[in-house]
Amino acid sequence: AQSVTQLGSHVSVSEGALVLLRCNYSSSVPPYLFWYVQYPNQGLQLLLKYTSAATLVKGINGFEAEFKKSETSFHLTKPSAHMSDAAEYFCAVSKGDKIIFGKGTRLHILP
Amino acid sequence: GAVVSQHPSRVICKSGTSVKIECRSLDFQATTMFWYRQFPKQSLMLMATSNEGSKATYEQGVEKDKFLINHASLTLSTLTVTSAHPEDSSFYICSGGGPTTDTQYFGPGTRLTVL
Repeated sequence: AQSVTQLGSHVSVSEGALVLLRCNYSSSVPPYLFWYVQYPNQGLQLLLKYTSAATLVKGINGFEAEFKKSETSFHLTKPSAHMSDAAEYFCAVSKGDKIIFGKGTRLHILP
Repeated sequence: GAVVSQHPSRVICKSGTSVKIECRSLDFQATTMFWYRQFPKQSLMLMATSNEGSKATYEQGVEKDKFLINHASLTLSTLTVTSAHPEDSSFYICSGGGPTTDTQYFGPGTRLTVL
C-alpha cells in the first residue's frame, strides 16, 4: 500500500540557511509523489510533483526535491530559507485518483 | 491556473444543527471532487470522493449519513454536516480533480466550529 512518512513534525532553520524536509515513501509500484505547502488557515498549494520523468524536480519558490529509488526518499530542499517559507509542508503519494498525505512538517524560520 | 473556491470560509453553529459547505471549480470542470478533513496540527484525511451525477464513495470510518455529499454539476459539490456536534469541528478542504488522475486543485478550506 502506498504511504509516506515525514521525519520530524517540526523543523527550525535560520533565515538564509539550507532547508531540508525529509520524506520516505512506500509503494509497490513507481509512485507519483508530491510536496504541498499550507499557510495558516489556507488550503494546499502544490510545490512540485514527481511523475517518473527527471529524478530532480524543481518547483515553485525555489524548492526542489530529488527522487531516490534506492533510498525510497523524496526529500524537499531549498538552498536559502526565507521568512516567508514558514508554513506546514506535506509530502504525499498518489493512490489511483486519491492522494495520501503524510503527517506534515512545520517549518520555522529563525531570524 | 485552476481555481477552487469554498463557501463559507468560516462557520460557527450550534450543536444539533446542519451546515452546508460549497465547493466550486471556477475555471474548469471537475468530474471528480474530493473532501478532506483536517484536525488541528494534523494531516488531511480523505473523507470521500464524489463523481458528478453519482453517489459519493466514502472512506472507511466516515459516516455517509452524517456527511452528505452532493455533486450535482461539474463545477459544484456540497458537503452537508448533519446534526453537527463539537467533535465535528474541523477544517474541511475540498479539491477538484484535474486532467490527470494525479492532479488535484485544492480549495482554501472551511473552518467549522460547533458550539
